[in-house]
Amino acid sequence: AQSVTQLDSQVPVFEEAPVELRCNYSSSVSVYLFWYVQYPNQGLQLLLKYLSGSTLVKGINGFEAEFNKSQTSFHLRKPSVHISDTAEYFCAVRYNSGGYQKVTFGTGTKLQVIP
Amino acid sequence: DGGITQSPKYLFRKEGQNVTLSCEQNLNHDAMYWYRQDPGQGLRLIYYSQIVNDFQKGDIAEGYSVSREKKESFPLTVTSAQKNPTAFYLCASSPGLASGELFFGEGSRLTVL
Repeated sequence: AQSVTQLDSQVPVFEEAPVELRCNYSSSVSVYLFWYVQYPNQGLQLLLKYLSGSTLVKGINGFEAEFNKSQTSFHLRKPSVHISDTAEYFCAVRYNSGGYQKVTFGTGTKLQVIP
Repeated sequence: DGGITQSPKYLFRKEGQNVTLSCEQNLNHDAMYWYRQDPGQGLRLIYYSQIVNDFQKGDIAEGYSVSREKKESFPLTVTSAQKNPTAFYLCASSPGLASGELFFGEGSRLTVL
């Protein structure tokens, strides 16, 4: 089974500063990688996804992520954060398990943007 | 509008009672999923279904049951056997393609008193 590690449970950052949220997954076998954002008491929304091709993926709200196969990482970045980016961010991996598509999530990183 | 509808949004129940959470989608997606979310633990997979009349246990299926009699519906029953049922429950759906992302409902918060 695949596992996803988000080492930072909370990341405080000042408004307009850059941020990187880290994500590592357990295997380099064929997987699809995703970042989702969750605002309080809501479901998750897709930020971006990596399927194949260019290792730099651009998403909504100015976020981007870089797929690094050798390091099995998929870190999320934004060059300048805004107060509205305060939320919890989840990294996820989708893979085939016994003919079924499973999706495993990391434990999440809470991004707190400080005015 | 197309999307996933979960109901109820908030639910309170006494210990020992079974509870059924509804999940309906009109996206024509083949796959549907139930996740449980607890603070600091991320999302943990309870059950998933790739097609009608077929479903598989996820990582924490004990104390839960599901059915998939219709493509658009995937209800989750939290039984009295679930030792710690208080949590935020999220339903999601996805196209059958391996590359498809999940689309989430707004969640149901269950509190067992």
